[in-house]
Amino acid sequence: QKEVEQDPGPLSVPEGAIVSLNCTYSNSAFQYFMWYRQYSRKGPELLMYTYSSGNKEDGRFTAQVDKSSKYISLFIRDSQPSDSATYLCAVSNTGKLIFGQGTTLQVKP
Amino acid sequence: EAQVTQNPRYLITVTGKKLTVTCSQNMNHEYMSWYRQDPGLGLRQIYYSMNVEVTDKGDVPEGYKVSRKEKRNFPLILESPSPNQTSLYFCASSFGSSTGYTFGSGTRLTVV
Repeated sequence: QKEVEQDPGPLSVPEGAIVSLNCTYSNSAFQYFMWYRQYSRKGPELLMYTYSSGNKEDGRFTAQVDKSSKYISLFIRDSQPSDSATYLCAVSNTGKLIFGQGTTLQVKP
Repeated sequence: EAQVTQNPRYLITVTGKKLTVTCSQNMNHEYMSWYRQDPGLGLRQIYYSMNVEVTDKGDVPEGYKVSRKEKRNFPLILESPSPNQTSLYFCASSFGSSTGYTFGSGTRLTVV
């Protein structure tokens, strides 16, 4: 069993839609949770990070963590074609950083 | 500009010829780490370092070496590269576990 599971998609939505991206993790020792965005031929770019259960909002992005279920989510409101990318969840504990496989998102104009 | 710089960006080499990929950060970050990214397998951590002279294995350390003699530099060494090490490699740095990593632009390595 992978330590972090993420549906690779691809996911295709119309512009303006609300996008929901999800991951599950298996080890409750992980304390920090992140979402990265990766455009083709580029390095991952940190979108959001959190360490507690609950919601964290940043503009059109909301990260949600449920430690009891070991479930993390990223919501994108009013999605734009420029949001088309691969989204990677990651969990961390003391230097170790484990990524999900990434979900490829396409937002169609 | 705050950044993580990797060199080279592209490298083609032959099996068994030792190589080093350099990584440098200018943000005074404590943590540094190396990853490889492969289709269908995603990003996997090779080695990480939480401070100078402190390194630890990630999930796929076999065939790689690292050293952290200075805070800003974290080179990745392949003593005897093999074709299964053909991959896209990323270096990253962070203030700590809780703050997320800044990634470099990647090094595409091909071993023939």
